[in-house]
Amino acid sequence: EVQLVESGGDLVQPGRSLRLSCAASGFTFDAYAMHWVRQAPGKGLEWVSGISWNSGDLGYADSVKGRFTISRDNAKNSLYLQMNSLRAEDTAFYYCVKDHTRRIGGGKYNWFDPWGQGTLVTVSS
Amino acid sequence: QSVLTQPPSASGTPGQRVTISCSGSSSNIGSNPVSWYQQLPGTAPKLLIYLNSQRPSGVPDRFSGSKSGTSDSLAISGLQSEDEADYYCAAWDDSLHAWVFGGGTKLTVL
Repeated sequence: EVQLVESGGDLVQPGRSLRLSCAASGFTFDAYAMHWVRQAPGKGLEWVSGISWNSGDLGYADSVKGRFTISRDNAKNSLYLQMNSLRAEDTAFYYCVKDHTRRIGGGKYNWFDPWGQGTLVTVSS
Repeated sequence: QSVLTQPPSASGTPGQRVTISCSGSSSNIGSNPVSWYQQLPGTAPKLLIYLNSQRPSGVPDRFSGSKSGTSDSLAISGLQSEDEADYYCAAWDDSLHAWVFGGGTKLTVL
């Protein structure tokens, strides 16, 4: 069974840093891209960042570009999100999500499955 | 303001058929497949539909997806009380080079 377990969420002051971790099990971690998706309390979903299987391809939402850094350690089956210069609007549940890819007619198409249970980051003074 | 547009709410009675729309543009839905996610109260999102209309194993065939141009829709037939949840559509956006989600639709079973 695929399991994604996030950790590292906490209450932190604006401007400070925090590092989230995601421990993956039940699948060949180094064969899949991974993502972070967040959800502010009572709000909708927002993609934060994604990383390819070999860390060669990274992507970020404009809202976090230059402040957040995604990384992975395939030897430890772990995904990370380093969050710097945190703002109140970064307050959210952060979900670790496994990527699925299928090649169809020369194109490559993706979706998210499964999702971890999430870890809460609260940015407040 | 979400890049993909969904109605904030939808409702139906048990047994009814309900449709939730997801409207985008040529850079997202118009050129990439859509996936749908169900979020039951207090839980993490779960994949419901991928590649516009495919159901993962374990998802009842009461759930179906269809795409037309720059819009997609999720249909739920034979509505059940356990379908009460938030539903989100998602697609890759070629112009933004980012994944985009709809704002979510809260489904109420009356």
